Amino acid sequence: DQQVKQNSPSLSVQEGRISILNCDYTNSMFDYFLWYKKYPAEGPTFLISISSIKDKNEDGRFTVFLNKSAKHLSLHIVPSQPGDSAVYFCAASDISGGGADGLTFGKGTHLIIQP
Amino acid sequence: KAGVTQTPRYLIKTRGQQVTLSCSPISGHRSVSWYQQTPGQGLQFLFEYFSETQRNKGNFPGRFSGRQFSNSRSEMNVSTLELGDSALYLCASSRQGSANEKLFFGSGTQLSVL
Repeated sequence: DQQVKQNSPSLSVQEGRISILNCDYTNSMFDYFLWYKKYPAEGPTFLISISSIKDKNEDGRFTVFLNKSAKHLSLHIVPSQPGDSAVYFCAASDISGGGADGLTFGKGTHLIIQP
Repeated sequence: KAGVTQTPRYLIKTRGQQVTLSCSPISGHRSVSWYQQTPGQGLQFLFEYFSETQRNKGNFPGRFSGRQFSNSRSEMNVSTLELGDSALYLCASSRQGSANEKLFFGSGTQLSVL
């Protein structure tokens, strides 16, 4: 039973264009969402997060949008750069519940930026 | 400041054996979490330790266990290894282990069970 779903295993985008990575969740108790980025042979690194009291959070080229009613979030990268090629994981947590189940991760989307 | 260090990087074991993985968190971080990453299941939460106590546990069998030492270093043990235990095991640390704290991950230990 996957509570966080990333339905696109891979995504190819041209350099300079916008990359949009999607994530859906089923657990309505989730109230904090994060995106992590992972290069081969390295651990995931934190990218950006959003609390359920917001619908948008921006950090430089990265913006995360949250649609609570649809239980959907997306990560926008503008403009996309070659160094953005990596696997992106969406993760969710239940802060109000103390986060006892740790972070729940999606399976990841492999983003490939084409020159 | 040194990052999260995991040893060893690679490990090959056979079915039925046991294995111990080690994790040194970032200095000053008291919470250590362990995750299993497999191609089919993504990253799954194993357990979290804080001040030498297991605070939270994921949905894994009792063959998976861990501990944390007074210097916050943590070890994870898997007994009676099965083929399905082949995975990348990731350790992550944070200061307090709060649910909204970002985690700092190590590079992982790649375990292959033959």
